[in-house]
Amino acid sequence: KNEVEQSPQNLTAQEGEFITINCSYSVGISALHWLQQHPGGGIVSLFMLSSGKKKHGRLIATINIQEKHSSLHITASHPRDSAVYICAVLYNFNKFYFGSGTKLNVKP
Amino acid sequence: NAGVTQTPKFRILKIGQSMTLQCTQDMNHNYMYWYRQDPGMGLKLIYYSVGAGITDKGEVPNGYNVSRSTTEDFPLRLELAAPSQTSVYFCASSSADRRAFFGQGTRLTVV
Repeated sequence: KNEVEQSPQNLTAQEGEFITINCSYSVGISALHWLQQHPGGGIVSLFMLSSGKKKHGRLIATINIQEKHSSLHITASHPRDSAVYICAVLYNFNKFYFGSGTKLNVKP
Repeated sequence: NAGVTQTPKFRILKIGQSMTLQCTQDMNHNYMYWYRQDPGMGLKLIYYSVGAGITDKGEVPNGYNVSRSTTEDFPLRLELAAPSQTSVYFCASSSADRRAFFGQGTRLTVV
């Protein structure tokens, strides 16, 4: 079974700070997703990675396949970034396993 | 472009009642999934389907049933609701290039 560990579980930051959320997994995967969930809201996929690095606006996601580790970075954080960020790994092309999420609160 | 549509958004059930959570996607995805999300826990896979007519159990299938008669629809059935099934349920689909799309969720309370 693929275990997905995220850290930290909770994160409070001041507006403008650089934020890093980490994800580790235990077995080989087909792809890794970073998801965003706003309070009471649905889930949106921010990135899908199978190698290297992707950037979208102020968000950067990296993955190291050999170390089985991924990071999500938010530059110049803003209160609207406050949400739960979830790491999800795609195993065997048809099953997702999820981390328990990182609750981010960005204060103005 | 509707994506993944789930209904209802909220529901309160009495113990022993049954209900069906509806999920439909308009992206012609073969893979569809049902997850439950409990507070402080990661999403857990209930059932999944790799195509019409094919379904399989996930990590927590007990108390649930699914069917996949068409590519678009993947309903989740609760036959005898129990308090342990109080949760937020998400339907999802994924494309051949492994992108994932989620519904807005159904918040179910069993009392």
